[in-house]
Amino acid sequence: TQLLKQSPQFLSIQEGENLTVYCNSSSVFSSLQWYRQEPGEGPVLLVTVVTGGEVKKLKRLTFQFGDARKDSSLHITAAQPGDTGLYLCAGDSLTNSGSARQLTFGSGTQLTVLP
Amino acid sequence: NAGVMQNPRHLVRRRGQEARLRCSPVKGHSHVYWYRQLPEEGLKFMVYLQKENIIDESGMPKERFSAEFPKEGPSILRIQQVVRGDSAAYFCASSRQTGSGTEAFFGQGTRLTVV
Repeated sequence: TQLLKQSPQFLSIQEGENLTVYCNSSSVFSSLQWYRQEPGEGPVLLVTVVTGGEVKKLKRLTFQFGDARKDSSLHITAAQPGDTGLYLCAGDSLTNSGSARQLTFGSGTQLTVLP
Repeated sequence: NAGVMQNPRHLVRRRGQEARLRCSPVKGHSHVYWYRQLPEEGLKFMVYLQKENIIDESGMPKERFSAEFPKEGPSILRIQQVVRGDSAAYFCASSRQTGSGTEAFFGQGTRLTVV
């Protein structure tokens, strides 16, 4: 079983602060996706990283895929209350049967940005 | 959420009843995934289906749970003789293919409450 560990589990910060959340695994993933989920809604895809060492920026969000494709980080600059939500990383890997691919999700980081 | 439709959004069942959860994927997507989420937790993979085929059901309990994705119509996740422990949010995602970096789009989920 491939596991993704996210840290911290909970994070509460003031508006304007910077933060980084982490997604770590002992397994290699062919790609990794970050989602944000708001209460009562489904996860919404933010970004997909595929290449080891890849860095992608989405406005104030910076995503990095580790060189070995085992871990990833999400950095938010000058956080805003609208960034509040559950941030989930998901690794793309083969299913147990080896015949197809599936997304394996981390347990998430619950971010609260206080005004 | 790119058009994945799940219904109902909320479902209340008494212990011992059956629950049927429906998922219509994005038009043109032939791959469907079902996930389960408990409060303040990440998503747990249950089953992956293509049209008329179950590709991987390693995350689905062997008893009481079944899933199908017929040639015509939505994918159905069926839970027979529900118990209180089945209470959770059930999310469906769809994708066009399953190559590396394939992106999955989620529905808004069905929140099942067993009373």
